[in-house]
Amino acid sequence: DIVMTQSPDSLAVSLGERATINCKSSQSLLYRSNSKNYLAWYQQKPGQPPKLLIYWASTRESGVPDRFSGSGSETDFSLTISSLQAEDVAVYYCQQHYGIPLSFGGGTKVEIK
Amino acid sequence: EVQLVESGGGLVQPGGSLRLSCEVSGFTFSSYWMHWVRQAPGKGLVWVSRIDSDGSTTNYADSVKGRFTISRDNAKNTLYLQMNSLRAEDTAVYYCVRPFTGTNAFDMWGQGTMVTVSS
Repeated sequence: DIVMTQSPDSLAVSLGERATINCKSSQSLLYRSNSKNYLAWYQQKPGQPPKLLIYWASTRESGVPDRFSGSGSETDFSLTISSLQAEDVAVYYCQQHYGIPLSFGGGTKVEIK
Repeated sequence: EVQLVESGGGLVQPGGSLRLSCEVSGFTFSSYWMHWVRQAPGKGLVWVSRIDSDGSTTNYADSVKGRFTISRDNAKNTLYLQMNSLRAEDTAVYYCVRPFTGTNAFDMWGQGTMVTVSS
């Protein structure tokens, strides 16, 4: 089974500053046949279900602001919020969508400093 | 508009059973694999189970294998999760989720239904 490890557990960033969340998988998420990394990022606000932000490591879901970007390959990935806005306060999860059982990271709570 | 509406949650004693339902609308249900994901109070997301588009193939997390059964009725646009031999650690919000086409990343989520296992 693939284990997903996120860091840090929480992050306090000033409005307008950059926030970066890291995610490491216990095995490569790169499908050689199509050169895609099967890694997704979600945002979850209190009392709401998660919202898909990014899939295939760096493809933004439709409607997601371009201040959100994903990068990385194989086992090391990151989500960057280039200029933190008040509405970005949430918990962020990475998920490998490479194989069954699917698995999520433990989450990173992003707050305003 | 795509909608996934879960129901059937509630309070159940350890060892008891519960059946969750997820009624969907706004997309061709019979064309999609579907999944259940759960979230214990204050905790992270955990994948539970999936079923293919015609119900012939299912997969489960080890933690629920042999106790939970996923099924679907494409005529009723409804996904189910039959949960037996429930334990305290099954207490969670259960989400019905739809994967983005060609992936197992989830682009559509229901609001969730709360299951509490307690005596």
